[in-house]
Amino acid sequence: DTGVSQDPRHKITKRGQNVTFRCDPISEHNRLYWYRQTLGQGPEFLTYFQNEAQLEKSRLLSDRFSAERPKGSFSTLEIQRTEQGDSAMYLCASSIQGAVDEQYFGPGTRLTVT
Amino acid sequence: LAKTTQPISMDSYEGQEVNITCSHNNIATNDYITWYQQFPSQGPRFIIQGYKTKVTNEVASLFIPADRKSSTLSLPRVSLSDTAVYYCLVGDIRGRAAGNKLTFGGGTRVLVKP
Repeated sequence: DTGVSQDPRHKITKRGQNVTFRCDPISEHNRLYWYRQTLGQGPEFLTYFQNEAQLEKSRLLSDRFSAERPKGSFSTLEIQRTEQGDSAMYLCASSIQGAVDEQYFGPGTRLTVT
Repeated sequence: LAKTTQPISMDSYEGQEVNITCSHNNIATNDYITWYQQFPSQGPRFIIQGYKTKVTNEVASLFIPADRKSSTLSLPRVSLSDTAVYYCLVGDIRGRAAGNKLTFGGGTRVLVKP
């Protein structure tokens, strides 16, 4: 399978704990996105990488959220001191810069904060 | 940031053509229009992308009038498996700082009935 993969698929954590999610994009894709989606809503942009550079970060994103993409390959999204409002599906997508920006999404990581 | 407006939901029947119109009155010169499809518990899937006039691929057509303030996604002869949420996105896909402008709205829930 050469699609976008995310790990873990599900995560249950207690409020106040830190969590880290991983995304492995399609190998030749230089763009990587993180989104958050709550029930009944469309995905909400969190941050964007082109290669290893984090070029955009949503102004709505709390300082508790941080993302990295070392060496322009996989990416991690960390949430520190989780809150119940962080419960959502976290989606990763990748694309290759070109004439058409088609984002390929992974299956997502569902986070539940208790 | 161009905001999009779509109908909340639409019902159709198998074999019919479904047309979903998206309004984006504040679209910028460099913005492209992209449509995604999402099934429950899955990440969105790219359908089609265009800048002006008409674009057609194997699954859909996208009609964009000259003023580009709206666009219409056309799904020919839908089947039950086309029941999903459809999102219209407007953004500068070619700019270096493209990520922050890719905003999913609430989407249109399409229900295809037998």
